[in-house]
Amino acid sequence: DADVTQTPRNRITKTGKRIMLECSQTKGHDRMYWYRQDPGLGLQLIYYSFDVKDINKGEISDGYSVSRQAQAKFSLSLESAIPNQTALYFCATSDPREGAETQYFGPGTRLLVL
Amino acid sequence: KQEVTQIPAALSVPEGENLVLNCSFTDSAIYNLQWFRQDPGKGLTSLLLIQSSQREQTSGRLNASLDKSSGRSTLYIAASQPGDSATYLCAVRPSGGSNYKLTFGKGTLLTVNP
Repeated sequence: DADVTQTPRNRITKTGKRIMLECSQTKGHDRMYWYRQDPGLGLQLIYYSFDVKDINKGEISDGYSVSRQAQAKFSLSLESAIPNQTALYFCATSDPREGAETQYFGPGTRLLVL
Repeated sequence: KQEVTQIPAALSVPEGENLVLNCSFTDSAIYNLQWFRQDPGKGLTSLLLIQSSQREQTSGRLNASLDKSSGRSTLYIAASQPGDSATYLCAVRPSGGSNYKLTFGKGTLLTVNP
């Protein structure tokens, strides 16, 4: 079973709708991240959380919000989706106790906003 | 601001060929550099991670080198196979305070033809 899972894997929604993307992990990591990837661009950090009570904005947080419901769960919400939020969204986890602190990525959610 | 560039953007080679993917970064104050593989629908998989004090890392047919002073890394793939077809991303992690944050390149799309 995958260590980092994301639901849904694909989603089509309309402009103005609220949508939530969910991420769950079984790695026991405290640190979790949300990234977006646009065609031809590198991944950009949206939000990150170092533990349940610690949530921080990344490079491109406008239009997004997050919730860290538990150590294992980190959700990303688009309160009112717009077409330029069409992208591939990745969740990742890491453990600072691992020397190199590799980030482990989920399979991604492909979101289309019409 | 750290910028990561990957050249070429796309590469097509016949099976069996040895190849080199390039990654350059503008700020040499890095903690480590990581090469990822991205397959459609499967997220990112970490291939090799080189700490700033290291010159290279090897895993099977893959060899990654790092020249921190010149801001360059290469990923060498020996005896390429069709299964190596994927997008390869490099990412750098800065040294210092915000060293949780990865800066990604846009990737090299590799196609290995049978």
